[in-house]
Order: sequence, then C-alpha cells, then structure tokens
Amino acid sequence: SQQGEEDPQALSIQEGENATMNCSYKTSINNLQWYRQNSGRGLVHLILIRSNEREKHSGRLRVTLDTSKKSSSLLITASRAADTASYFCATDPTGANNLFFGTGTRLTVIP
Amino acid sequence: EAQVTQNPRYLITVTGKKLTVTCSQNMNHEYMSWYRQDPGLGLRQIYYSMNVEVTDKGDVPEGYKVSRKEKRNFPLILESPSPNQTSLYFCASIRQGKQYFGPGTRLTVT
Repeated sequence: SQQGEEDPQALSIQEGENATMNCSYKTSINNLQWYRQNSGRGLVHLILIRSNEREKHSGRLRVTLDTSKKSSSLLITASRAADTASYFCATDPTGANNLFFGTGTRLTVIP
Repeated sequence: EAQVTQNPRYLITVTGKKLTVTCSQNMNHEYMSWYRQDPGLGLRQIYYSMNVEVTDKGDVPEGYKVSRKEKRNFPLILESPSPNQTSLYFCASIRQGKQYFGPGTRLTVT
C-alpha cells in the first residue's frame, strides 16, 4: 500500500500543550502533505513539504520530513480547543497530484 | 469566494437506482479528483481528471464512472449503486499540489 500511517490514532491533550503527530510511509515521495478535517467536513490543506525539504513552518504548525526514515511529523504548538480535529498525512509519490492518505490522528484539545 | 461545491450533501437511495453526485469548482483548476472516506480506511481515490476529457482510475474505481466535459464540473456517476458504496464522498480540485476539498456527500445505499 502507498498509504501513509499516522501515529497515534488518537491524542488527547490540555489546551496550551503541544501536540505531535507522526506519519510513516513506504514508497519514495515527491511531496508529503498534511490536512485537517473537522468532523464529517471537507479536508483543509495545512502544509506541503517537498522531498528535498526537511522542515516547514506555518503559524503554530511545524512539519518535519525525514526521507531516509520515510517519516514526517506535525507539531502544533500552544494548542487551542479549536484545533480539535482529525489530521491526515498524504503522500504524493510522483508529483502527479495522486495523493495517498493515511487513516488519520484524532486530536482532542481539552479547554 | 473560491470554493468547491457538491450536490447533494446527503442522499439515501436503493440498490440499483442510478445516481449522480455533482462537483463544481470556480478556481479554474485543471486537476480534479474524487475520494471516498470510510472508517478505518482513510480517504481513497476513486477517479481523477487532469483536464477536460482526460480522466483516469484511482485506487477504487469499480462501480463508478466520471466525466469531464468542462473544466469546472466533474460529476461522479454510480450506474447501479450497491450497499458497499455507502460512504462519505469528497470532490477536490488541485493547484500546485494542494487539494481543495468540497464539503462532502454522505451516501447511503439500502
């Protein structure tokens, strides 16, 4: 399977704490992306990181990519209750826009 | 406002009754895609289209058809729906690798 796998499947933290989610994949990639989904709604793009990049930031989000280990992590700093959602990683093996999604990490931020 | 719209948002139908889920985007994107989302399986790509009249199968195309007669629209067709097609369906349009998702269509086939 070319799907990524997120770890943990579920994460519960207190507001203000940092949340870290990991993604592992099996094939080589052109880029890896992280998406957020509020319950039952459409996914929202968060960050795209290319295979030649190691780290990217966007606001309170930090994404790292280790192609030698075929893994990525998403760090959300100073979490808020509004960050409660499911987070998915998606790999694009060739850059042809065909994404393979993992099964997601369900994040709950407790106020 | 840039957006992807899907209709209907909710649909309950019976086995074998043909249906179409519409998808439209106003961002002039060439690339569009359909996914289904099932518990424990994440999102799986059904079909994608790289431009008008250019479509190709994704991971799970069986039981589905698509067409791309104009850039903004990418309908998903279920010729003879079956209960295993009960799912949450998402359309997406893509630009520079980033996918812009519609709000989803929850389909139940009885």
